[in-house]
Amino acid sequence: GAVVSQHPSWVICKSGTSVKIECRSLDFQATTMFWYRQFPKQSLMLMATSNEGSKATYEQGVEKDKFLINHASLTLSTLTVTSAHPEDSSFYICSAREKRFRLRYGYTFGSGTRLTVV
Amino acid sequence: KNEVEQSPQNLTAQEGEFITINCSYSVGISALHWLQQHPGGGIVSLFMLSSGKKKHGRLIATINIQEKHSSLHITASHPRDSAVYICAADFISNFGNEKLTFGTGTRLTIIP
Repeated sequence: GAVVSQHPSWVICKSGTSVKIECRSLDFQATTMFWYRQFPKQSLMLMATSNEGSKATYEQGVEKDKFLINHASLTLSTLTVTSAHPEDSSFYICSAREKRFRLRYGYTFGSGTRLTVV
Repeated sequence: KNEVEQSPQNLTAQEGEFITINCSYSVGISALHWLQQHPGGGIVSLFMLSSGKKKHGRLIATINIQEKHSSLHITASHPRDSAVYICAADFISNFGNEKLTFGTGTRLTIIP
């Protein structure tokens, strides 16, 4: 089945540094990648939608200069948390969408990245 | 407005019990997804439904399009089924900008 590889699975960084998270679709082409953030015991919160070769669409309230998304190829999307602060500590997870049937899409999720900013 | 409601929020059951998790959505969908999130955080897609019923092992998912309701059933539940189960809808109104709308999740705990 479809697999999305997300790295790293966890990262600890110092306040003020930047962290890059990668999501790679291994056996299919992900024309669209979604990036989510999840706080403990809460549901997934969509941060942005990225389409291959175009600029990402950010949800309201998400700072695009802080959360840089690049979807340069059909198999790779990256999220860079710039100038990280402790409040950016969270669980980040990506999801790749592929068209399965007319008007119906399948979604494959990465394994997530737990970011801790100290 | 595109909304997904899920119940119950928490469910604790004994091993072997039959489990039902419910999901209701507000308007027309192109597909309804059931997802499983384990304590480590990774999410697995269990089912994608647009009509009827699907079965995979001990898991059964049903959907009633007219009533805008879906259920996830687990037969002969086992402690390894303990996870958060999430219902998510692909709303037709999002056509051209398709994205999932999530329920709040059901935290299932199966006691040995």
